[in-house]
Amino acid sequence: AQKVTQAQTEISVVEKEDVTLDCVYETRDTTYYLFWYKQPPSGELVFLIRRNSFDEQNEISGRYSWNFQKSTSSFNFTITASQVVDSAVYFCALSRRYSTLTFGKGTMLLVSP
Amino acid sequence: DGGITQSPKYLFRKEGQNVTLSCEQNLNHDAMYWYRQDPGQGLRLIYYSQIVNDFQKGDIAEGYSVSREKKESFPLTVTSAQKNPTAFYLCASSSGRAHNEQFFGPGTRLTVL
Repeated sequence: AQKVTQAQTEISVVEKEDVTLDCVYETRDTTYYLFWYKQPPSGELVFLIRRNSFDEQNEISGRYSWNFQKSTSSFNFTITASQVVDSAVYFCALSRRYSTLTFGKGTMLLVSP
Repeated sequence: DGGITQSPKYLFRKEGQNVTLSCEQNLNHDAMYWYRQDPGQGLRLIYYSQIVNDFQKGDIAEGYSVSREKKESFPLTVTSAQKNPTAFYLCASSSGRAHNEQFFGPGTRLTVL
């Protein structure tokens, strides 16, 4: 069975702090993909990144970076120099058959000025 | 502008009534999905469709029905058999190729009184 665990329910930081959102997954598949989505207060999920199981290179996109470690089944997401606009719920997800996804329960990030 | 539209944004119904949520996409995507989100929970898959005139049950299909008569449309009916219909419903689509990212609509918040 597949599972995605986001142990941090809510994180509060002050603007300009760095913050890391944890994601741990379980799967028996040898080929799989991991995703991160952002859900701002408006409700629509915004795609951030997709990473396949064969590519353990870290990814950096502006203030966002992702650390994929197959040995610990983790795919953590770091926001550097957080901003108020980063306040949202962030979901980690794992691909399964027929392009469906298994989502974690999400981490709510609150960035205060 | 390409995207996914869901209407209405807010929907109120009396208990015992069926209600249909609209989802339309103009991304030319083959696959479409319906998710339910409850407070503090991740997204749970209700139904998905990989191609026109075909759809499969997801993890929580009981009390819901769908149709896929056109590529761009995937309406969801919440029937009176659904025990706890009040929730936030999100529609998504993807190209359908294995492990591709899904793109989401703005969601419909359904409240059953």
